[in-house]
Amino acid sequence: DIVMTQSPLSLPVTPGEPASISCRSSQSLLHSNGHNYLAWYLQRPGQSPQVLICLGSNRASGVPDRFSGSGSDTDFTLKISRVEAEDVGVYYCMQALQTPLTFGGGTKVEIK
Amino acid sequence: EVQLVESGGNLVQPGGSLRLSCAATGFTFSGYWVTWVRQAPGKGLEWVASIKQDGSEKYYVDSVKGRFTISRDNAKNSLYLQMNSLRAEDTAVYYCARAPFEGGWFDPWGQGTLVTVSS
Repeated sequence: DIVMTQSPLSLPVTPGEPASISCRSSQSLLHSNGHNYLAWYLQRPGQSPQVLICLGSNRASGVPDRFSGSGSDTDFTLKISRVEAEDVGVYYCMQALQTPLTFGGGTKVEIK
Repeated sequence: EVQLVESGGNLVQPGGSLRLSCAATGFTFSGYWVTWVRQAPGKGLEWVASIKQDGSEKYYVDSVKGRFTISRDNAKNSLYLQMNSLRAEDTAVYYCARAPFEGGWFDPWGQGTLVTVSS
């Protein structure tokens, strides 16, 4: 199974400041088609998860451009250029290259 | 509006069975992979099972193989999860979600349905 490791576990942030979350996989997520099968999700308190980033770096429809995804192979990063209050919640990375599909343990983002 | 609505969650005794449903609206259901993901109370997300557009391919996490069965009815725009031999560790909110292709991202997700396995 591919193990997904996120850091940090908790991330206190100041509104208006940038934030960054790391996700590492135990195996390469690079498909033969050139895409990284890595997605980022945000689960706001009391809500269902929603996709932010797909295929490693593509922002999903309707996602604000302050969110960006980067990385390749086994090392990925989600960045928020300027954190807003509505960004609080738990962020998960997920690999979809092979079954079982696996999620990272989550990073809880909260306002300082 | 693209929407997925789960139902069927309930309190069930260990060893019991339950069938979850997920009703899809607002898109061509038969054109997408669909999946079940669960979240135990206070825990992270765990992929459970996925099924191909025509139902010809199904995949499961090891912990549910032989106990859970994913299925779909494209004529009814519905996804199902038959859960047998339930255990306390199956207690979770179960979400359904769609994916554009095998290996694709999950979007959108339903609101979830709670399954509690307890005596």
